[in-house]
Amino acid sequence: QSALTQPPSASGSPGQSVTISCSGTDSDVGAYNYISWYQQHPGEAPKLLIYGVSERPSGVPDRFSGSKSGNTASLTVSGLRAEDGADYYCSSYRGDNHFVFGTGTRVTVL
Amino acid sequence: QVQLVQSGAEVKTPGSSVKVSCTASGGSFSDFGIIWVRQAPGHGLEWMGGILPGFPVTKYSRFFEDRITITADASTTTLFLEVRGLTSEDTAVYYCAKRTRRCVGSGCLIDNFFDPWGQGTQVIVSS
Repeated sequence: QSALTQPPSASGSPGQSVTISCSGTDSDVGAYNYISWYQQHPGEAPKLLIYGVSERPSGVPDRFSGSKSGNTASLTVSGLRAEDGADYYCSSYRGDNHFVFGTGTRVTVL
Repeated sequence: QVQLVQSGAEVKTPGSSVKVSCTASGGSFSDFGIIWVRQAPGHGLEWMGGILPGFPVTKYSRFFEDRITITADASTTTLFLEVRGLTSEDTAVYYCAKRTRRCVGSGCLIDNFFDPWGQGTQVIVSS
């Protein structure tokens, strides 16, 4: 199955911002506003950060924001903190209750 | 608030099968759906398939559809993932995760995102 494309890594110093892209096709990212983002620390299960392109669940800091343009979605982490160092995955709906995840991006806080 | 608790780690031999469970507490089958996700060591998340047990609807990724079966037991609100024909490439952590069904007025929709996730089940395939 074709995963959504994310950069393998991203980094920034504390307080800076980092943006992660998630590229798909007309059949997934471009077709639906059902983009979600997940944060995964080593040895832990993924945690929901963003849903519906840009909505934050209760408890997720507003330093995390999402957007979409065409076939590419983006996650921005502003005001980087040490605890933001983790792997980040996007996900998109593909229709008919099918989904696809991104390849994942490791964020390093320098 | 539905919580998901998965079964313990498994060690299997190549060619055998494994059945992983995911027990949902705090909800009924009509309130949610479940997806299964594979994460091989050092790799990303792969959507394997999902089930909406209250309907019932089951969908599989084309990559896995020949080797997996997803089922549900309403009496115990437990979901199952069976993987057959195991190879070393199936060595991974398997997660279940919930899609919530939300009703507003006379209409209901199911979320197209996943929250919460189970703790994961490690499956090791080795001879």
